[in-house]
Order: sequence, then structure tokens, then C-alpha cells
Amino acid sequence: NAGVTQTPKFHILKIGQSMTLQCTQDMNHNYMYWYRQDPGMGLKLIYYSVGAGITDKGEVPNGYNVSRSTTEDFPLRLELAAPSQTSVYFCASSYPRAGQDGNTIYFGEGSWLTVV
Amino acid sequence: DAKTTQPNSMESNEEEPVHLPCNHSTISGTDYIHWYRQLPSQGPEYVIHGLTSNVNNRMASLAIAEDRKSSTLILHRATLRDAAVYYCILRNNAGNMLTFGGGTRLMVKP
Repeated sequence: NAGVTQTPKFHILKIGQSMTLQCTQDMNHNYMYWYRQDPGMGLKLIYYSVGAGITDKGEVPNGYNVSRSTTEDFPLRLELAAPSQTSVYFCASSYPRAGQDGNTIYFGEGSWLTVV
Repeated sequence: DAKTTQPNSMESNEEEPVHLPCNHSTISGTDYIHWYRQLPSQGPEYVIHGLTSNVNNRMASLAIAEDRKSSTLILHRATLRDAAVYYCILRNNAGNMLTFGGGTRLMVKP
């Protein structure tokens, strides 16, 4: 009963480096999301996907890229990391329709990323 | 997207009921009202959701105003473990853009 799994949990990245945050879900959900959360703030949507092969920008997509080659996986890539990308990143998934499965959005445990 | 407005913080005493308000005056007829909470250093977790009628589950109750422009999450007996940030969000059948506001930070005093 894994749910949404994110890796790594913690990572320190140097300015200008690139890395990929991995996210996988085993619930066969169509919708997947990436959020970032800065200290003391709410969640901001980076990218989302409504199904394999389809991705779209959220509120704060600059500096990030995503892909969705399978239903299960939704990796988030940071290119040319900057200190402003220091944050906690949450991946989430859900069914598409509002009433299905109680419309629950399942979140991963988060990935703490520091750019120095 | 319809937005929600919540107080930044609230305090409660342990074992007492807590009423967390949310305003959503621009809600559309197809928007479901959802509540999530985020415990320290964890991802958000589902609490409850509703469309028009009041809802109860093992965690909480959701009271929805008749005009649906506001709702209240009710924790019947607050415990120390209920200290968290509570988010009220709106989701429609498209469900793709999920926008979280700042939420309400609930502090529970022993």
C-alpha cells in the first residue's frame, strides 16, 4: 500500500547543477501534480498532468520541467538550480473526477531541497 | 479559479470543539469544497469534502452554508495531534488546477 512515493527525501544541490525529483504512484491515478512549499507558506502548483503524455504549467513553472511517459511516474527536473528553488517539493495524485474515490488527493511525504 | 479565504491562525483548548471558517464567495455550482490538513513536516492529508449538504466522517464535520459561499470545518474535540495547517480548497469535475491558499494554522493548548 505504497501510495505516492517521492525520492530523494533530502538533497543539497549546488547552484547551476541539475537534478530530477522522482515521483511514482501505484493507485492508477490519471492526475498527478507537483507543488512547492516555501517555509511558512502554502503550496504552489508547479506542473500537473492529466494523463500519460500530457503535462501543463501551474502557477510557478519557471526553472522546472516535467514528463509523463507512464501513468505511474511523474518526475520533476530542475535545470540550472538557483537558491530561490530551495523549498519542500510535494508530489500528489488523484482520480480526475470530483466525486470519484471521495475525490481524495494523495500526497507524497515531500522532498526537502536546498540549493547552495 | 474560485478562491478561498481563511483566517491565518486560530487557537483552541484541548478537548473543546473547533470551528474553522472558510469563505468562497465566487464558488461555482460544480465546485466541491475540500478540506486538507498538513501536520508539521508532512504532506497534506485529506480531511473531508462536500458539495451542498453537511457531511460527517470520523475525523470531522463539514457545515456548508445554504448559498455555498462559506463553509466551516468542525473538529468536535480538539486534541494536541490536531495542531496543523488546515486548507480549504475548491475542486470541480475538471479537477486539474488545485490551488491552495495560505490555510489556517490551528494551535491547540493543553
